[in-house]
Amino acid sequence: DAGVIQSPRHEVTEMGQEVTLRCKLISGHNSLFWYRQTMMRGLELLIYFNNNVPIDDSGMPEDRFSAKMPNASFSTLKIQPSEPRDSAVYFCASGGSGVLAGELFFGEGSRLTVL
Amino acid sequence: GQQVMQIPQYQHVQEGEDFTTYCNSSTTLSNIQWYKQRPGGHPVFLIQLVKSGEVKKQKRLTFQFGEAKKNSSLHITATQTTDVGTYFCAGPNYGQNFVFGPGTRLSVLP
Repeated sequence: DAGVIQSPRHEVTEMGQEVTLRCKLISGHNSLFWYRQTMMRGLELLIYFNNNVPIDDSGMPEDRFSAKMPNASFSTLKIQPSEPRDSAVYFCASGGSGVLAGELFFGEGSRLTVL
Repeated sequence: GQQVMQIPQYQHVQEGEDFTTYCNSSTTLSNIQWYKQRPGGHPVFLIQLVKSGEVKKQKRLTFQFGEAKKNSSLHITATQTTDVGTYFCAGPNYGQNFVFGPGTRLSVLP
């Protein structure tokens, strides 16, 4: 299994531009988490999907952020318009259910820099 | 909401010394997980503890879950340079939603 795959690995953009981060889950997993990591705030949960349905989006900073899960294996996190304070590493993690529940598998992250 | 705290924030040790990080939750946890993140890397799952008072070992790492299920610890015996990284504990918020502690960053001096 290839694990959780995120793209792009690095993104540098200018303030005001739209950013789209992508995540492919591990086959068979049904939970998807988007986390943001910064030195100041650590690992913050942005949104959590279960069976393609957003369960908790209370961590989404504001309306500029949106996340979708169009199918069971893929998700996108969009920031529009981006701001310098959005600079962070964005991690996607997937998890299973039943006997697979518990462990989260993280992707390698997307490092976003907004100038 | 639930809060998960960790101490210390940073720890510098000489190679061969022991290291311990502590995790405390504001609420009773059904289980707790530990993750390790190497510099520049992503969090990697280490272990999950479920039972009150549970102790689990992985080679030089010893994980403990408190009797009240509100605290946990990770102890590394005789640290090595490969132990460098940030260690996070994570507790369930609800469902499969996990809240991560701020982490303890370990540096090991050779």
